[in-house]
Amino acid sequence: GQNIDQPTEMTATEGAIVQINCTYQTSGFNGLFWYQQHAGEAPTFLSYNVLDGLEEKGRFSSFLSRSKGYSYLLLKELQMKDSASYLCAVRAAGAGSYQLTFGKGTKLSVIP
Amino acid sequence: EAEVAQSPRYKITEKSQAVAFWCDPISGHATLYWYRQILGQGPELLVQFQDESVVDDSQLPKDRFSAERLKGVDSTLKIQPAELGDSAMYLCASSSTGVETQYFGPGTRLLVL
Repeated sequence: GQNIDQPTEMTATEGAIVQINCTYQTSGFNGLFWYQQHAGEAPTFLSYNVLDGLEEKGRFSSFLSRSKGYSYLLLKELQMKDSASYLCAVRAAGAGSYQLTFGKGTKLSVIP
Repeated sequence: EAEVAQSPRYKITEKSQAVAFWCDPISGHATLYWYRQILGQGPELLVQFQDESVVDDSQLPKDRFSAERLKGVDSTLKIQPAELGDSAMYLCASSSTGVETQYFGPGTRLLVL
């Protein structure tokens, strides 16, 4: 099975930078995803890493170290609308195909 | 932009009643997933379809839950009878193949009284 850990809650100031960490233990690793989920809404795709290194997409960047079972999501120039839960999800070989296993999510609050 | 459609968006039912949720994936997406998300938790996979075939339903409580995707396009998830512990958000997602990014629909929020 998979074990995914991420902080439950974080608070950051508008305009600042915040890093949300995710550690995982899994077999058959095939990629790591970050999703954003606003309260009461569906998760929306943010980023995907399958190789070690940093992927940058506008204000959002995601990093992966497969040897350490570690990823982080970096949010720059925080805006109030970034207040949401951020879900780390690991894709690995499952019963019949690849499956996503989600962490419990990190609730980010952006304050003025 | 193509989206995953789900209905209803909200459902309130009494325990022991039957409920059904519908999902229409992004056009051309062969893989369809049903997830359950309890408040404060991440989504948990219930069932995965590849076209009309079930790929994985190991986490589906088969005594009360059933899912089908008869023509390999839209899908229905049914609960009968509903229990209080089934109150959750039911999310449908689709991907072009089993290894591509999953895109989620708006979800159905179920409340069982």
